[in-house]
Amino acid sequence: TQLLEQSPQFLSIQEGENLTVYCNSSSVFSSLQWYRQEPGEGPVLLVTVVTGGEVKKLKRLTFQFGDARKDSSLHITAAQPGDTGLYLCAGFNDYKLSFGAGTTVTVRA
Amino acid sequence: KAGVTQTPRYLIKTRGQQVTLSCSPISGHRSVSWYQQTPGQGLQFLFEYFSETQRNKGNFPGRFSGRQFSNSRSEMNVSTLELGDSALYLCASSWGGVMNTEAFFGQGTRLTVV
Repeated sequence: TQLLEQSPQFLSIQEGENLTVYCNSSSVFSSLQWYRQEPGEGPVLLVTVVTGGEVKKLKRLTFQFGDARKDSSLHITAAQPGDTGLYLCAGFNDYKLSFGAGTTVTVRA
Repeated sequence: KAGVTQTPRYLIKTRGQQVTLSCSPISGHRSVSWYQQTPGQGLQFLFEYFSETQRNKGNFPGRFSGRQFSNSRSEMNVSTLELGDSALYLCASSWGGVMNTEAFFGQGTRLTVV
């Protein structure tokens, strides 16, 4: 059983469309991180959110941390084929990251 | 600045054998964590080391062990390999903060047990 639940599990969209990935938990985390992983590679850190209610924007990506520090969302505007990958959220407590199962995003050209 | 280096990248072992995986963290990072990634279970935490001390351990059998050296390099050992140990083993390096840490992953070691 995953400590963090991600939804949806799979997402396939056309280039130029927007998408949102959700990450929910019953646990409170001191920080939450989002990663993107490509096949055969390790996850690459996209962002860390620490403060409840925090919103971070990185170009076309917007990350939000819930007020209670239990949930988060990742929104991609005008998706591009280069955004294709496995998106993972991870909560940090007690020196360890607990990962969600991931959302596989495919952006079709 | 060099990233996290894991060796070897690929490994094929037979059931019952043991294996040792190596991880060199980013220079200056003192925390090294290990994760197992499988299609069915996703990314699962194995253990974390900071300054040669294990600070946390996941729910894996005792066949999985690790250690960290004074230069922060870490090794992970799996004894009496089982088919179910086939997975991508990932190492992550960080400063090791208490409240917040940004983890940087290596490319992983793909272990296949036959």
